[in-house]
Amino acid sequence: AQSVTQPDIHITVSEGASLELRCNYSYGATPYLFWYVQSPGQGLQLLLKYFSGDTLVQGIKGFEAEFKRSQSSFNLRKPSVHWSDAAEYFCAVAPGGTYKYIFGTGTRLKVLA
Amino acid sequence: EAGVAQSPRYKIIEKRQSVAFWCNPISGHATLYWYQQILGQGPKLLIQFQNNGVVDDSQLPKDRFSAERLKGVDSTLKIQPAKLEDSAVYLCASLGRFMNTEAFFGQGTRLTVV
Repeated sequence: AQSVTQPDIHITVSEGASLELRCNYSYGATPYLFWYVQSPGQGLQLLLKYFSGDTLVQGIKGFEAEFKRSQSSFNLRKPSVHWSDAAEYFCAVAPGGTYKYIFGTGTRLKVLA
Repeated sequence: EAGVAQSPRYKIIEKRQSVAFWCNPISGHATLYWYQQILGQGPKLLIQFQNNGVVDDSQLPKDRFSAERLKGVDSTLKIQPAKLEDSAVYLCASLGRFMNTEAFFGQGTRLTVV
């Protein structure tokens, strides 16, 4: 069965530091890949998505993610974190063409001033 | 464009009571989803509609949950009777017709069963 693993439940970084959130998936073929962010009491906002092509994807708010087929990973990165980035981040995969999202358990990001 | 609208935002009920949630997707979006997000977990798909037909309801606890999407626009999700473990945020999402797009999520309804 398809699954998504986000190994870090909580991450704390200082403002201005770089960030990498990990995501690994289990699926036979290349799925559609997404990163969403959720602020307290809010819905999910899309940060970026990967369907095909260039494996380095740029998103909103200065985020990027790199798809590595050999590692079944889709890690999210940001070179310099801002205090407003504190939120919960979810990686999601959708088996090709189905859009039936399977979400990871999320990584809660805390940013220290 | 207007986003996905959900109501109510919050609901507290006693166990064994019934409750209903409403979702209005983005105009023109044919696909609508209901997800359940239990605290500390990622969202889990409950049901997917394409227009007014059900595409996937394999994870919907059909003994107590029901959903409908009359006329292929807005949708309601009902729980009857509610259990304590139904406490969660219920998210509605919709998806447009174009290739390489993404689902848009509403703000959710937070349900507390006491």
